[in-house]
Amino acid sequence: DQQVKQNSPSLSVQEGRISILNCDYTNSMFDYFLWYKKYPAEGPTFLISISSIKDKNEDGRFTVFLNKSAKHLSLHIVPSQPGDSAVYFCAASVLTGTYKYIFGTGTRLKVLA
Amino acid sequence: ETGVTQSPTHLIKTRGQQVTLRCSSQSGHNTVSWYQQALGQGPQFIFQYYREEENGRGNFPPRFSGLQFPNYSSELNVNALELDDSALYLCASSQRVGGGEKLFFGSGTQLSVL
Repeated sequence: DQQVKQNSPSLSVQEGRISILNCDYTNSMFDYFLWYKKYPAEGPTFLISISSIKDKNEDGRFTVFLNKSAKHLSLHIVPSQPGDSAVYFCAASVLTGTYKYIFGTGTRLKVLA
Repeated sequence: ETGVTQSPTHLIKTRGQQVTLRCSSQSGHNTVSWYQQALGQGPQFIFQYYREEENGRGNFPPRFSGLQFPNYSSELNVNALELDDSALYLCASSQRVGGGEKLFFGSGTQLSVL
């Protein structure tokens, strides 16, 4: 039972354009969401987070949108840069007790120069 | 640079053997989690330790066990290795941020079971 789904395994975007990565979840109890970026041979690196009391959070070129009714979140990267090429994971958690994060399967983003 | 270091980076074992993976967390982070990432998958939660006690466990059998020490280091032990245990094992220490918990990951240990 995949509670967090990233249905696009890969995405290619031209440099300077917007990259939109999507994530769907099934558990309505999730109340905190993270996006991570992973380069080969490195651990995942934190990008941005959002709690369920918000519907948008921005940090520089990165914006995360949360649609609770649709159980959907998205990560927007504007403008996309070649250094953004990596695998992106979304993760969700319930903020009580153990902070057990459920990760999606990832989307490989390739930004073309 | 997350301040979380894991050793070794790569390891090859044979089926039935036992393995110990090590992690050094960021100073001051009293929570450490271990995740397993199989090829083509996202990280899967194994367990979490808080102040040296297990604080939650994912769907992994008891042959996966751990320890957390007062000096912010921790271990993941796997007994009776199986071929399906081949994966990247990630350690993450935690810090509260913005009402949530932010994970700082190490680079992982790539375990191959032959």
